[in-house]
Amino acid sequence: EPEVTQTPSHQVTQMGQEVILRCVPISNHLYFYWYRQILGQKVEFLVSFYNNEISEKSEIFDDQFSVERPDGSNFTLKIRSTKLEDSAMYFCASSGQNSGNTIYFGEGSWLTVV
Amino acid sequence: SQQGEEDPQALSIQEGENATMNCSYKTSINNLQWYRQNSGRGLVHLILIRSNEREKHSGRLRVTLDTSKKSSSLLITASRAADTASYFCATGFGNEKLTFGTGTRLTIIP
Repeated sequence: EPEVTQTPSHQVTQMGQEVILRCVPISNHLYFYWYRQILGQKVEFLVSFYNNEISEKSEIFDDQFSVERPDGSNFTLKIRSTKLEDSAMYFCASSGQNSGNTIYFGEGSWLTVV
Repeated sequence: SQQGEEDPQALSIQEGENATMNCSYKTSINNLQWYRQNSGRGLVHLILIRSNEREKHSGRLRVTLDTSKKSSSLLITASRAADTASYFCATGFGNEKLTFGTGTRLTIIP
């Protein structure tokens, strides 16, 4: 079964450093998302991306965050200057008309900011 | 108040028993999805039920949806140790964002 893949699985970074989390959504999917889950808390929506632009973003997704689809397969989340409170599991997800609105998630990238 | 509240927050049952988890939500939806998450792992999609559906089955899973009460339930029959995980409901509209509940932590005792 096709799956969303994410790299790295775990990254430790110093506060203030830039981080790029990478995702390969399911082929032929058109909608892409980033969510995050702080340890022990709910999964929170960050941003959705469709037709090469952001379609919706949450209040968490401030100017420190950006997303890109640099080519036909990758979807990245960049955090410009990490803060301690950015430590979380970041999930990439995708969906498409062929998935009947089912949103498929990757295994996540653990980000630890020290 | 939050969209998507599951209850119970935690549930422990003996292997072989049935597990029922409930989810309530507040706003209009056109679909509700259930996910499983093993500790520290990704979200595995279990089942999607649309607002015009009342019940859906997939293997040992049975999901119901009552839009008049804004609630859904997930039943896992004949539970196994491998079912130990957290279970989340998530509400959405088409391909728009999902809003997740707080989750039910299910423990199956062998």
